[in-house]
Amino acid sequence: DAKTTQPTSMDCAEGRAANLPCNHSTISGNEYVYWYRQIHSQGPQYIIHGLKNNETNEMASLIITEDRKSSTLILPHATLRDTAVYYCIAVSGSARQLTFGSGTQLTVLP
Amino acid sequence: GAVVSQHPSWVICKSGTSVKIECRSLDFQATTMFWYRQFPKQSLMLMATSNEGSKATYEQGVEKDKFLINHASLTLSTLTVTSAHPEDSSFYICSADFPDLNEQYFGPGTRLTVT
Repeated sequence: DAKTTQPTSMDCAEGRAANLPCNHSTISGNEYVYWYRQIHSQGPQYIIHGLKNNETNEMASLIITEDRKSSTLILPHATLRDTAVYYCIAVSGSARQLTFGSGTQLTVLP
Repeated sequence: GAVVSQHPSWVICKSGTSVKIECRSLDFQATTMFWYRQFPKQSLMLMATSNEGSKATYEQGVEKDKFLINHASLTLSTLTVTSAHPEDSSFYICSADFPDLNEQYFGPGTRLTVT
């Protein structure tokens, strides 16, 4: 699976949009971009995934660049409960195991 | 959406004993489940892939005789840590893969402390 690169940490004010970037310059055509988050001492929580098109669900939006070399996860109105480590992972459609990097520690500030 | 449970949520055992951790898919049948381990302040590391009705596939460096995985049904996979030692103390997390949904869901994790 393609390697992903994320900033180590980010802060965001409560109520504002949190934009979390991810670079995946070596992603192949059949690899999806998945986002998970892990709140302290809990199992990872699925957020969203996409292949080429931008995606939106009740939790977040995923913006994938046209060349698919990077993406941005957007939490439109961050709350204190969104404080977590966010992982961006490239996943092959056939090989389903997830390779977790170090992720981005998002801290939402009151 | 699909829900994955783990039992127990935490366990303390003495060195040399064995501990079994259960991972259940509550809403959907899962042909494939994964087991991860997470040490403090580190990311999740894949230990093994568990396929229903067949032997598990272990990642390099994971002792298959120490970490026994059984996936006897489409809703249950178990991880048994045999002859546990303090260095096995960790957060063990399972996940269930649902290819039809193109999603993978994680259990809440099991905190193992070996004294």
